[in-house]
Amino acid sequence: GESVGLHLPTLSVQEGDNSIINCAYSNSASDYFIWYKQESGKGPQFIIDIRSNMDKRQGQRVTVLLNKTVKHLSLQIAATQPGDSAVYFCAEKNTNAGKSTFGDGTTLTVKP
Amino acid sequence: KAGVTQTPRYLIKTRGQQVTLSCSPISGHRSVSWYQQTPGQGLQFLFEYFSETQRNKGNFPGRFSGRQFSNSRSEMNVSTLELGDSALYLCASSFYWETDTQYFGPGTRLTVL
Repeated sequence: GESVGLHLPTLSVQEGDNSIINCAYSNSASDYFIWYKQESGKGPQFIIDIRSNMDKRQGQRVTVLLNKTVKHLSLQIAATQPGDSAVYFCAEKNTNAGKSTFGDGTTLTVKP
Repeated sequence: KAGVTQTPRYLIKTRGQQVTLSCSPISGHRSVSWYQQTPGQGLQFLFEYFSETQRNKGNFPGRFSGRQFSNSRSEMNVSTLELGDSALYLCASSFYWETDTQYFGPGTRLTVL
């Protein structure tokens, strides 16, 4: 249930497996990156962020990896649960320019 | 602490009409951003306000405008509605701007007939 490197519009995993959601960003000047989770009928919810001076940041069951060389961002979810089923978006921001750009979302489905 | 609230939650308008959407940020937050979300284009940035000043603007036509009041509440207006304006309009607030965490509201679902 993992995918590394390639952005997929959908990802299906078994409950308890680890999930990896990928995102490619376009702007080399982006220096702030955020992952959001959006459940049906709700607005996006902040999960974790990372600044460009870091390459890894961990939260509760989630880890974000940043590879600035290839402009790639990934979100790892450990021990995926049914409640993790949602659409996940990455966002990049050039804090000097101020605008946020969102990537295409990935729909994560967790099978019991 | 109450979250970001948006009103109305659902709205149906016809082409050519105008619409005003409202956003109340989390208490103490001074930055409000607006986004348009559609199945085809995803989440797109509209504009950002901080202390009643527009700090940034996305690539949308002049029919889309906004403002922020002294209590940080914000409104966005779309004039001369087009079918393609049908979307979920999301508001997000943060204490400051730049790298502060943004908290999103539930959105206003606008349908243009």
